[in-house]
Amino acid sequence: DVKVTQSSRYLVKRTGEKVFLECVQDMDHENMFWYRQDPGLGLRLIYFSYDVKMKEKGDIPEGYSVSREKKERFSLILESASTNQTSMYLCASRILILQGSPNKNTEAFFGQGTRLTVV
Amino acid sequence: KQEVTQIPAALSVPEGENLVLNCSFTDSAIYNLQWFRQDPGKGLTSLLLIQSSQREQTSGRLNASLDKSSGRSTLYIAASQPGDSATYLCAVMEYGNKLVFGAGTILRVKS
Repeated sequence: DVKVTQSSRYLVKRTGEKVFLECVQDMDHENMFWYRQDPGLGLRLIYFSYDVKMKEKGDIPEGYSVSREKKERFSLILESASTNQTSMYLCASRILILQGSPNKNTEAFFGQGTRLTVV
Repeated sequence: KQEVTQIPAALSVPEGENLVLNCSFTDSAIYNLQWFRQDPGKGLTSLLLIQSSQREQTSGRLNASLDKSSGRSTLYIAASQPGDSATYLCAVMEYGNKLVFGAGTILRVKS
């Protein structure tokens, strides 16, 4: 079974702290994603990555950065946490789809989520 | 920009009913569409994935269909049970490898 593991289920941090959310997958997937989920707003993409050291901004990257030093690990960094970053954070991974390449198993797999509260 | 809409936003049905959840998307340039289930406070669990070349997929009591040209997918749940109560999300995988989600349908099955 594919496993996507997020380092913490619950996290409480103070305003201004630097926060690291870690995500590890064990299926050698190239694609990894970070989303945040808020009531009434659904899942919004923060950043995603195609491969090691490669990253792309999603729809709401402001206030966040990411790191992908190893293929299995994708870290989300809140440089200076603020109360409006209180949210559920979800990590996902999947195979990279190349146009014209008929990948069969292209499911995205999610971690269990990290509920972050910034006080 | 791809937009994914799910209707209804919430649904409450008695146990045993068959039900249909709807998902529509604005740009048909997709690789696939995936249906997920989310229990309160938890991550997402994959239910079904339909490749863009497929019309439907089945898993147990679940059947998902895809009409790419009209930008629509449905998730059919047969003989609903209280354990099916959850939020159901659909997501499309765009050519840029981005997963775009709908807002979800909150399902409650009453015993």
